Amino acid sequence: GESVGLHLPTLSVQEGDNSIINCAYSNSASDYFIWYKQESGKGPQFIIDIRSNMDKRQGQRVTVLLNKTVKHLSLQIAATQPGDSAVYFCAENSSGYSTLTFGKGTMLLVSP
Amino acid sequence: NAGVTQTPKFRILKIGQSMTLQCTQDMNHNYMYWYRQDPGMGLKLIYYSVGAGITDKGEVPNGYNVSRSTTEDFPLRLELAAPSQTSVYFCASSPPSQGSNQPQHFGDGTRLSIL
Repeated sequence: GESVGLHLPTLSVQEGDNSIINCAYSNSASDYFIWYKQESGKGPQFIIDIRSNMDKRQGQRVTVLLNKTVKHLSLQIAATQPGDSAVYFCAENSSGYSTLTFGKGTMLLVSP
Repeated sequence: NAGVTQTPKFRILKIGQSMTLQCTQDMNHNYMYWYRQDPGMGLKLIYYSVGAGITDKGEVPNGYNVSRSTTEDFPLRLELAAPSQTSVYFCASSPPSQGSNQPQHFGDGTRLSIL
């Protein structure tokens, strides 16, 4: 289930389940969105991106959905594995030069 | 390719000291960025650069300075360290957007404590 911890929202799933991580973005003028995965002690790692002229994009085991009407972004991870445990950030760009505004993140915990 | 390399990985400073956080990338990316990440929070942009000799402020530039004399290097300077600057600092780079955004590639961060 999903719960709000002291600092980060946390999503706990079982290995093999599908995970959905949600993100609300702030600027209706944003035209580029990106998901990053951050493991403990590491920098953010690119997962998948999507431009505002699309509403869905698929990668390997991941899918990003964009709903511009309600300014909502989601990341779906199929067949979640323990190695997927990390903090996931969404980010948006609206100011040019690829500068990004990051959300606060969601911690994904995958149990074997 | 090493990607984005940050040094040092850890540092403890006393209030009022100064230091430079180093960042270098070997991907020939024009764009480089500095972010800070406070515990349990997302990243906030400090400064960015779109090429050698060009820098601009981000969301939280106060207390920091940057320079970009080469494409590869983008150092971040703290002149008078304050406890509020205790954070994890990430450097990132990306190729020029050329009309469409490109993902940023991140280093593994510098963990800085000001005591």
